[in-house]
Amino acid sequence: DGGITQSPKYLFRKEGQNVTLSCEQNLNHDAMYWYRQDPGQGLRLIYYSQIVNDFQKGDIAEGYSVSREKKESFPLTVTSAQKNPTAFYLCASSKGTNQPQHFGDGTRLSIL
Amino acid sequence: AQSVTQLDSQVPVFEEAPVELRCNYSSSVSVYLFWYVQYPNQGLQLLLKYLSGSTLVKGINGFEAEFNKSQTSFHLRKPSVHISDTAEYFCAVISNFNKFYFGSGTKLNVKP
Repeated sequence: DGGITQSPKYLFRKEGQNVTLSCEQNLNHDAMYWYRQDPGQGLRLIYYSQIVNDFQKGDIAEGYSVSREKKESFPLTVTSAQKNPTAFYLCASSKGTNQPQHFGDGTRLSIL
Repeated sequence: AQSVTQLDSQVPVFEEAPVELRCNYSSSVSVYLFWYVQYPNQGLQLLLKYLSGSTLVKGINGFEAEFNKSQTSFHLRKPSVHISDTAEYFCAVISNFNKFYFGSGTKLNVKP
């Protein structure tokens, strides 16, 4: 079955460390997205990519970085510059930016 | 600017009762509208979508929604809820600039 795989499901970071969250899709979708979810705040867009080797900042890109070297992969790095990284991170993909988004099961990041 | 408002952050309801989750959006142009459901520690799953055509849209799990252009609303309804419907529900809209906007979510709590 096609879908989106996020790994790991749970991740712990020490102060000052960078961590990378994985997102892989086999839906042959062109567009991919990263969201951050905090309790009571819904979803906030971090970065999105409409095509390989191209990506744009979302509403809360500071302290995060991404790459899109392959169509099926869109990893997110949470850098040490992100001062409040504890959150639930969701990856999504869609055929195009005007199509419904399909979501992975998320990665919960916590600070040790 | 485009926005999505979910008027109720929490909705308690007894099993087998009807429910309506409210969603309003701000836009003077054509939009695509969606409802998603999120179970604890999981990603979002598409319930239904309105792209064009009939204003009454039927989705999975017995849910339906009605697009009302004059009231800029897209309320989600189910005539009889089950315990298993307990989850958080998100309304979303794509604007004519192909940007996705999510509401802040409504937690549906179905009681026995």
